[in-house]
Amino acid sequence: QSALTQPPSASGSPGQSIAISCTGTSSDIGGYNYVSWYQQHPGKAPKLIISEVSKRPSGVPDRFSGSKSGNTASLTVSGLQAEDEADYYCSSYGGSNNLLFGGGTKLTVL
Amino acid sequence: QVQLVESGGGGVQPGGSLRLSCAVSGFTFRRYGMHWVRQAPGKGLDWVAYIERDGSNKYYADSVKGRFIVSRDNSQNMMFLQMNSLRVEDTGVFYCARDLHPWYMDFWGQGTLVAVSS
Repeated sequence: QSALTQPPSASGSPGQSIAISCTGTSSDIGGYNYVSWYQQHPGKAPKLIISEVSKRPSGVPDRFSGSKSGNTASLTVSGLQAEDEADYYCSSYGGSNNLLFGGGTKLTVL
Repeated sequence: QVQLVESGGGGVQPGGSLRLSCAVSGFTFRRYGMHWVRQAPGKGLDWVAYIERDGSNKYYADSVKGRFIVSRDNSQNMMFLQMNSLRVEDTGVFYCARDLHPWYMDFWGQGTLVAVSS
């Protein structure tokens, strides 16, 4: 069982918006603004798309946005495109020099 | 450009050892902390270990504490993961990744596969 909880799957049609949640506790997500999100296409390495809750690295489309409320972080993908179909993982600092990942969400673009 | 290349994976029996390497280029290695992350077949990401830029501090996931040792050679732009007492559940692709503190990874290698089986 993963330390952070994500829905196993999500789906949306091209052009729609979809939100993926990531739930932790007050000891990890709720205690630090160190939430990040990674996109992973099949057979590829993960790619950072959001850092520090809501910061987008250079080159990441502004269709991707992140937020946090209490112990839950969210990744929103707006204007879904076919190439957004991938697995998405949240991550949070868990205190005591420990890093936690969510179990991953498979995003399907219908 | 930034490149991270893992090597050293392979098949090993339970209880055996392997040493993974991560060769980096395209950035000043000594300025960055580094991570190892594992992904079991068909499963999610699992943080394994972190080493600070000068190697002074190392942190491990509870699942590997006492069995794995992370190290680095800044003169050779290399990071290593010595894995001892390997278990079947250690099977997976091991990625090295650059840390962009605090605690997120901005560049990843392509991974090396470790298969622990009898």
